[in-house]
Amino acid sequence: DAGVIQSPRHEVTEMGQEVTLRCKPISGHDYLFWYRQTMMRGLELLIYFNNNVPIDDSGMPEDRFSAKMPNASFSTLKIQPSEPRDSAVYFCASLEAGGGETQYFGPGTRLLVL
Amino acid sequence: QKEVEQDPGPLSVPEGAIVSLNCTYSNSAFQYFMWYRQYSRKGPELLMYTYSSGNKEDGRFTAQVDKSSKYISLFIRDSQPSDSATYLCAMGEGTSYGKLTFGQGTILTVHP
Repeated sequence: DAGVIQSPRHEVTEMGQEVTLRCKPISGHDYLFWYRQTMMRGLELLIYFNNNVPIDDSGMPEDRFSAKMPNASFSTLKIQPSEPRDSAVYFCASLEAGGGETQYFGPGTRLLVL
Repeated sequence: QKEVEQDPGPLSVPEGAIVSLNCTYSNSAFQYFMWYRQYSRKGPELLMYTYSSGNKEDGRFTAQVDKSSKYISLFIRDSQPSDSATYLCAMGEGTSYGKLTFGQGTILTVHP
């Protein structure tokens, strides 16, 4: 398996623009997680899905952030409008129910909002 | 107060040293404990995983959990330059399958 795939790997945009981050989990994994990592705050859970259904979105910072999982092999995290404080590395991770609690992380998307 | 506290370091040690990394937590509901390793510009990867209090050993790595003190540790013996990375502790509750709370991560450099 290719592992968790994220795109784009790098994104530079201007304040106010819409940003869409994409994730393809490992095939057969039931859970998908979106995280944000900054030096100041570390790795923070934003939202996670089980069988394409959002389970906990309490970490989503505000209404500018939204996430969807239309099918088992694809998820998006959208920021609209983006702000400089959204600059961070965004990770997607997936997990197989019954396979232990090991999350497998993607390589991340480095977002810079100018 | 954060649920999980971890000293971000950075920590710099000579090759061959014993490294001790630590986290404290406040949530008594945490039941399982993990250490992830993250190399520069990569995603975190699982290093160690334990449910119970006590020690778990895997090669040069030992994970220690003390639930009574709400304290976990990771020891690295005979540290190598290839161990240079950020180490993140992570904890989960049994009631929210898969959901983890991470520490901030400790940046470790092992110099030759």
